[in-house]
Amino acid sequence: GEDVEQSLFLSVREGDSSVINCTYTDSSSTYLYWYKQEPGAGLQLLTYIFSNMDMKQDQRLTVLLNKKDKHLSLRIADTQTGDSAIYFCAESGANNLFFGTGTRLTVIP
Amino acid sequence: DTAVSQTPKYLVTQMGNDKSIKCEQNLGHDTMYWYKQDSKKFLKIMFSYNNKELIINETVPNRFSPKSPDKAHLNLHINSLELGDSAVYFCASSQHSGRGEETQYFGPGTRLLVL
Repeated sequence: GEDVEQSLFLSVREGDSSVINCTYTDSSSTYLYWYKQEPGAGLQLLTYIFSNMDMKQDQRLTVLLNKKDKHLSLRIADTQTGDSAIYFCAESGANNLFFGTGTRLTVIP
Repeated sequence: DTAVSQTPKYLVTQMGNDKSIKCEQNLGHDTMYWYKQDSKKFLKIMFSYNNKELIINETVPNRFSPKSPDKAHLNLHINSLELGDSAVYFCASSQHSGRGEETQYFGPGTRLLVL
């Protein structure tokens, strides 16, 4: 089956940039997503990128897609304490999304 | 307006009991899902329904039975609850287009604790 991998933990200082990485296996995925889960809350869709794009920018968020290497990254500029959460990448399957394990981002004041 | 809602938000119950979690979406979507998030925060799909028909049924004990009375609702009934069922259960919905961009919208989660 599809395999989506992320590192489990990332710590950054407030004001620095955060880069969360993800690798996936299904090259036929049409869309790739980033979800955010704050403590005690549900998943919130942050952004998504179509597979024929290399980059997508949305305010402080930049998504980079390297389709050849099946590598997806999420860059958060000027990271704030409110960005502390678990970030899930996901790839689209035929009828489903396949999620990574999530990366817990800790922002140090 | 709440797009995907789940009730209850918290559920604490004894082992062996039967319980249900309800999910409703007002987005007009035709596909709904149940996910389980374990203590390590790993998300795994359990079921998926499209237009009230089951289309995904992952390896889930048959104590778990989804019920979709209509397109806007997908309830999860769990019989004979076990300690290992303790987790957060997320409902989600999407509009199936067949082109792969079906963004899923998630409910807030139901935190189930089995004692």
